Parts: sequence; structure tokens; C-alpha cells
Amino acid sequence: DAKTTQPPSMDCAEGRAANLPCNHSTISGNEYVYWYRQIHSQGPQYIIHGLKNNETNEMASLIITEDRKSSTLILPHATLRDTAVYYCIVRVGGIQGAQKLVFGQGTRLTINP
Amino acid sequence: GAVVSQHPSRVICKSGTSVKIECRSLDFQATTMFWYRQFPKQSLMLMATSNEGSKATYEQGVEKDKFLINHASLTLSTLTVTSAHPEDSSFYICSAVAPTNYGYTFGSGTRLTVV
Repeated sequence: DAKTTQPPSMDCAEGRAANLPCNHSTISGNEYVYWYRQIHSQGPQYIIHGLKNNETNEMASLIITEDRKSSTLILPHATLRDTAVYYCIVRVGGIQGAQKLVFGQGTRLTINP
Repeated sequence: GAVVSQHPSRVICKSGTSVKIECRSLDFQATTMFWYRQFPKQSLMLMATSNEGSKATYEQGVEKDKFLINHASLTLSTLTVTSAHPEDSSFYICSAVAPTNYGYTFGSGTRLTVV
């Protein structure tokens, strides 16, 4: 079963920052927080991941609370192409053992012009 | 790097026939691949874990005789939907464990329609 809780849908204006929350209150010490997104009728695309420190890459920023029970994905300047379903997943980091990815329901983000 | 190619992207087949879907890792070797199914407006549901050189591990409720998985090489896993029925119509997606810091990369999916 998925270990995360996300709002089913969110709207954001084009050009504004989109902040997507995720609750993972039962996260274990060795589990990372991963974010993927799925644009309609495509395979999921990796966005970012982190353990406890905040992370930033060319796509987004990830803010993880100090107790690690929740996190927020930030798309700093949302565009229409960011309209997608965003999935927050927790799993053990690395590829040892090839732990399977279990998807929750995700958040359907709609960017409005 | 770490590209997964899935083929075909779309397929329409008649009820009762079998359909094979291929998942290839193009620039890396994948000892483990995963197969997912996704119905409209729903999330991805893991069907099975495919391990090179051994039998696939199926999730509870997934019929292994209906969804045949073969992972005969380090770059190819196939999913065969046998005796397809309209209720098997779905979006099928594969994923491979890749040598990247994030570990997983996904194919672009196969839209199966059984008529």
C-alpha cells in the first residue's frame, strides 16, 4: 500500500509557484521521498528526491520538514506544460534489492493560463 | 541516459487473441523490471516484478497464466496478455531499475484496446 497522502487536485496560475504537499507520517529512517509526474497518456517522469535535506534541481525544489513526516514539491514558475498528475512516493534509497515503487492516487495539478 | 523503450505504443486486438508488449532498456542493463497497469483516471497498479533469468513475481490478484512475463535478457522484458478480453483494455507501463541516483525509469506506455 502507498505510504503517502496527497490532495486529489490543485490549481495554479501560469507563472506562479505551484506548491504540492505530501504527508508521509510513517516514513522510516532509511526511506527517501521521491516525486514523479505523469502527463496524460505517458509514462511517469522522475522529478526529484531527498532524504532529509531540502533539494533543488532544474525542475523543482523539495522541502522536507524536520520531522520528515511531510514534504512539499515546489515548481517555481509553473507553465501549462506542468499540468500533470504528481506522485509522492517513499522508498528505500538506491537500487539495492530493487524495491518496487508503489503509487498512491497522486495530485492532479492543473495550470491555468 | 537510462532510457526505456516500450513497444508498441498502441495496439488494438480482437477478443480471444494474445498481445505481446516489449520493454527494452536502451543504454543500460536491467536485471529487474516492473510492469504496471493503469485504468482511466486511476493510478498505476503494480502487476509484477520481472527478474532476468528467473520467474516473475506477481502481485496479489494478478493472474500469472493470463499475463505472461519473460525477461530473457538483461535488456528486454516482455508482457504477453493471453486470450485478451475487453476488460483487459488498459494502459500498460514498464519500468526498469537504472544505474542512476534515482534508480527507476519508465517506458512511455502501451495503450491496449481489446475489441
